[in-house]
Amino acid sequence: AQSVSQHNHHVILSEAASLELGCNYSYGGTVNLFWYVQYPGQHLQLLLKYFSGDPLVKGIKGFEAEFIKSKFSFNLRKPSVQWSDTAEYFCAVNELRRGGSQGNLIFGKGTKLSVKP
Amino acid sequence: DGGITQSPKYLFRKEGQNVTLSCEQNLNHDAMYWYRQDPGQGLRLIYYSQIVNDFQKGDIAEGYSVSREKKESFPLTVTSAQKNPTAFYLCASSVRRGGRYEQYFGPGTRLTVT
Repeated sequence: AQSVSQHNHHVILSEAASLELGCNYSYGGTVNLFWYVQYPGQHLQLLLKYFSGDPLVKGIKGFEAEFIKSKFSFNLRKPSVQWSDTAEYFCAVNELRRGGSQGNLIFGKGTKLSVKP
Repeated sequence: DGGITQSPKYLFRKEGQNVTLSCEQNLNHDAMYWYRQDPGQGLRLIYYSQIVNDFQKGDIAEGYSVSREKKESFPLTVTSAQKNPTAFYLCASSVRRGGRYEQYFGPGTRLTVT
């Protein structure tokens, strides 16, 4: 079955540390890739997305992600985290099928990020 | 003010009772979705609907039912057949941008069944 793996369940960093959250998927074809963030008590929000083109995508709040097709990866990065980045981060993938239809979004299990002030 | 609303935010029910969770959107999105979120499990798709009067089972549809009589509304009923109904339920809708779909999420309903 198709799956999305997020390697870290809980990451704890100090402010100003660099962040990289791993995401790997198992689809063999063309995919759309997403990172969502869920701040405590808030909606799940779209952080960034990759559809096609430049594999390095930039999102809100200084986040970026790089799509490496050969590694089936879409890791999320931020050079310097802030306390306000404390949240749960979800990677999600869906496949782009022939004819333009898309498969359902498959989510990873999430990574909790705690940033110590 | 466009968005997705889910009500109520917290819901408590006794075991054996059916309960319906509301989801309304005024974004004019065609597709709507229901997910269940459990700690450490990510989001799992329960049902989805791409058009009015049509819906499809997701990965964990057993014990749930939905309807899609209006474009704006996609209520989810958690039936007494659902073995482990206590969870956080998220509704989403999607829009097509640049040929691809993006999903937007509501605030969620936390259901507790005792």
